[in-house]
Amino acid sequence: DIQMTQSPSTLSASVGERVTITCRASQSISRWLAWYQQKPGKAPKPLIYKASTLESGVPSRFSGSGSGTEFTLTISSLQPDDFATYYCQQYSDYPRTFGQGTKVEIK
Amino acid sequence: EVQLVESGGGLVQPGGSLRLSCEASGFTLSSYSMTWVRQAPGKGLEWVATIDEDGSEIHYVDSVKGRFTISRDNAKNSHYLQMNSLRAEDTSIYYCARDHQLGGNEDCWGQGTLVTVSS
Repeated sequence: DIQMTQSPSTLSASVGERVTITCRASQSISRWLAWYQQKPGKAPKPLIYKASTLESGVPSRFSGSGSGTEFTLTISSLQPDDFATYYCQQYSDYPRTFGQGTKVEIK
Repeated sequence: EVQLVESGGGLVQPGGSLRLSCEASGFTLSSYSMTWVRQAPGKGLEWVATIDEDGSEIHYVDSVKGRFTISRDNAKNSHYLQMNSLRAEDTSIYYCARDHQLGGNEDCWGQGTLVTVSS
């Protein structure tokens, strides 16, 4: 199985800050990577697919990059609505696997 | 509006069975692969199973193989997860999700249904 490792596990940041989350795959997944945002008690919300393509309606302050085994999710200017947990997911091969999540907290 | 609504969750004893349903609206179910993802209380996301558009290709996570069965009825705009031989570690919120047509990630999610396995 392909292991997905996110860092950091928790991130404290202020409104307006630039935030970067890293996701590493245990083997190459090309660009078959998605990012999701989840708030407490809610279903995950798709943000990005194919490593860098924004889902419809997602604000442009979110961006994704990377290929192979190393990927990043960047929020260019953190907004109050962005405090949540973020997950990466590989869909290069079955079983699809998620990272353990990165919780973005208010500093 | 694209919508997925799960039902069928509840409390079940270890060794018991449950059948989850996911009703789709706002899109043509037969054009999409469909997936179940679960989340144990306070934990991360775990992909469970995916079924392709016509049910000819199915994949499961190892921990549920032989116990869970994913299926679909495109005429009823629904897909299902039959869960047998349930264990305490299957306790989770179960989400149904639609696969993106341009890839294998999930681009639309239901609100989730809670399955609790306990005596």
